[in-house]
Amino acid sequence: AQKVTQAQTEISVVEKEDVTLDCVYETRDTTYYLFWYKQPPSGELVFLIRRNSFDEQNEISGRYSWNFQKSTSSFNFTITASQVVDSAVYFCALREGGSGNTGKLIFGQGTTLQVKP
Amino acid sequence: DGGITQSPKYLFRKEGQNVTLSCEQNLNHDAMYWYRQDPGQGLRLIYYSQIVNDFQKGDIAEGYSVSREKKESFPLTVTSAQKNPTAFYLCATGRGPGQGRGYTFGSGTRLTVV
Repeated sequence: AQKVTQAQTEISVVEKEDVTLDCVYETRDTTYYLFWYKQPPSGELVFLIRRNSFDEQNEISGRYSWNFQKSTSSFNFTITASQVVDSAVYFCALREGGSGNTGKLIFGQGTTLQVKP
Repeated sequence: DGGITQSPKYLFRKEGQNVTLSCEQNLNHDAMYWYRQDPGQGLRLIYYSQIVNDFQKGDIAEGYSVSREKKESFPLTVTSAQKNPTAFYLCATGRGPGQGRGYTFGSGTRLTVV
């Protein structure tokens, strides 16, 4: 069965520090998609990134970067030079692809990031 | 602008009452989903629908019911059988299975039992 684990429940950093949010997933499918979402206090989930199982290239978007490693079933998210506005709950999620998939997103438990000024 | 509208934003329910949460979309997406969020537990899937007039149970469907009579609408009813309904409920849409797409989420409804 598919599963997503975010072992870090809460992280607190001081502004300008770098921080990495861990995500480990389990799936038997060879085709799957991994996502990161940000949930600010308003509650709405904001899409950050999608990565498919055939693309292991790391990605950088401004202060955000993602490290996808199939060998360790991990999809970690790093924020460089964190800012107070980065304070939110971050979710990693998995969706199995290919024929017969149900289209469900399986979420990790979430990591609450607090960035202090 | 295309998007998802969830209403109401806050909802209070008395013990033993059924309540219905609304989710409307104008994205022309085939699939719609309901998730429940509790503190420290992430999001859990309640029900989903990949096409009009069809829907499937998710991981925690007990005490909930849905309908999908129109592509644009996927209301969720929280029945009196749901013993602990206080939670944050999120509706989402997707382009459907096999396309590897992500989701668009609504802004959520916070339900409280009083």
